[in-house]
Amino acid sequence: EVQLVESGGGLVQPGGSLRLSCAASGFTVSSFEMNWVRQAPGKGLEWVSYISTTGRTIYYADSVKGRFSISRDNAKNSLYLQMNSLRAEDTAVYYCARSLSGNEDAFDIWGQGTMVTVSS
Amino acid sequence: QSVLTQPPSASGTPGQRVTISCSGSSSNIGTHNVNWYQQLPGTAPKLLIYSNNQRPSGVPDRFSGSKSGTSASLAISGLQSEDEADYYCAAWDDSLKGVFGGGTKLTVL
Repeated sequence: EVQLVESGGGLVQPGGSLRLSCAASGFTVSSFEMNWVRQAPGKGLEWVSYISTTGRTIYYADSVKGRFSISRDNAKNSLYLQMNSLRAEDTAVYYCARSLSGNEDAFDIWGQGTMVTVSS
Repeated sequence: QSVLTQPPSASGTPGQRVTISCSGSSSNIGTHNVNWYQQLPGTAPKLLIYSNNQRPSGVPDRFSGSKSGTSASLAISGLQSEDEADYYCAAWDDSLKGVFGGGTKLTVL
């Protein structure tokens, strides 16, 4: 079964750091572009970051640029999001999402999400 | 404030046809494909329509998408109770970022 499973969420103080992981199964992550999307409680979806198959092309939302870092380990079939200098407004469910082959702007497989709460 | 504009709510009765609009600009919808997602309560989003009007395998043909200029629409025909969900449009933007609409909550009366 094609699946993405996120982990690493939790409660962190403002200014702190957290590293999210996304483990893929049923497919080879090295063959797909990958993304992170977040959803604040009761709010809509917000695209966070994109990484190409090789990892050489990376994009970030303005709201996280300079604080978050996306990476991938194709050998571990996994995607990561390093989040630094966390703010209250980063509180959200974070989803990793696979780009549809040939249509990198469409996300066809989503994980179940991991909750990140930034609070003192 | 979302980059793409959707009505916050929509409603219809079973069997009815409902449309949800999505308005953008020349830097996103005007230039790039539009995708639609369905999010049932408490679950992750699901890809419903990609490349403006393509349905992934398993999505019923009751769902259809269209795009014209800087606007797009999602149509749901033969509305069913299980269609009650939040619907999001999305596109890539020339500023090298993904953008979503604010979401439309569909209620089946």
